[in-house]
Amino acid sequence: DAGVTQSPTHLIKTRGQHVTLRCSPISGHKSVSWYQQVLGQGPQFIFQYYEKEERGRGNFPDRFSARQFPNYSSELNVNALLLGDSALYLCASSKSLSRGNTEAFFGQGTRLTVV
Amino acid sequence: AQSVTQLGSHVSVSEGALVLLRCNYSSSVPPYLFWYVQYPNQGLQLLLKYTSAATLVKGINGFEAEFKKSETSFHLTKPSAHMSDAAEYFCAVSEEGGATNKLIFGTGTLLAVQP
Repeated sequence: DAGVTQSPTHLIKTRGQHVTLRCSPISGHKSVSWYQQVLGQGPQFIFQYYEKEERGRGNFPDRFSARQFPNYSSELNVNALLLGDSALYLCASSKSLSRGNTEAFFGQGTRLTVV
Repeated sequence: AQSVTQLGSHVSVSEGALVLLRCNYSSSVPPYLFWYVQYPNQGLQLLLKYTSAATLVKGINGFEAEFKKSETSFHLTKPSAHMSDAAEYFCAVSEEGGATNKLIFGTGTLLAVQP
């Protein structure tokens, strides 16, 4: 079975531009979460979607938005890019919202560089 | 609020030596705890998880972790390090409350294995 797939793998953008990152969860998984991992730090939670509804949002500005489609794939959008948005963006999928009984599977990430 | 603290951002061991990576948690309720590994330019892979069933948890690749409530610790160990264990390791706790199963990560420990 295919794991969590993210595209693109690498991206270079200029300050002020907009970017869209994409994620396809594991087949049968209804939840997608997005995390930002700045170099040298642990991943930070951005959003979680379940059954196409936003279930949680981390401490990120409104420039960050996301959505989940009927096939459970997801997009993360970032507007007005800043240098500080340079990071590895990770997508994780899980079967449900259960805290302990469901494992989060991570994709390989999208490396975004803002210049 | 829940959190995890990883002591030691860099740990170096010799091949064949014991691996000990430290993680302490803060939680007002019984936590769900996880250890993830990240190889260079990769996403996160789950090593093991504690969900209150047993205090000694065995994971993949010979790793195990022991939940100690009295010490609020969940240290990761492996009896004999292998060169392929060189990676970054993250401890995480599943956030209690709310409508998500988001993970709160520590800052990571980079493990180097010397020949």
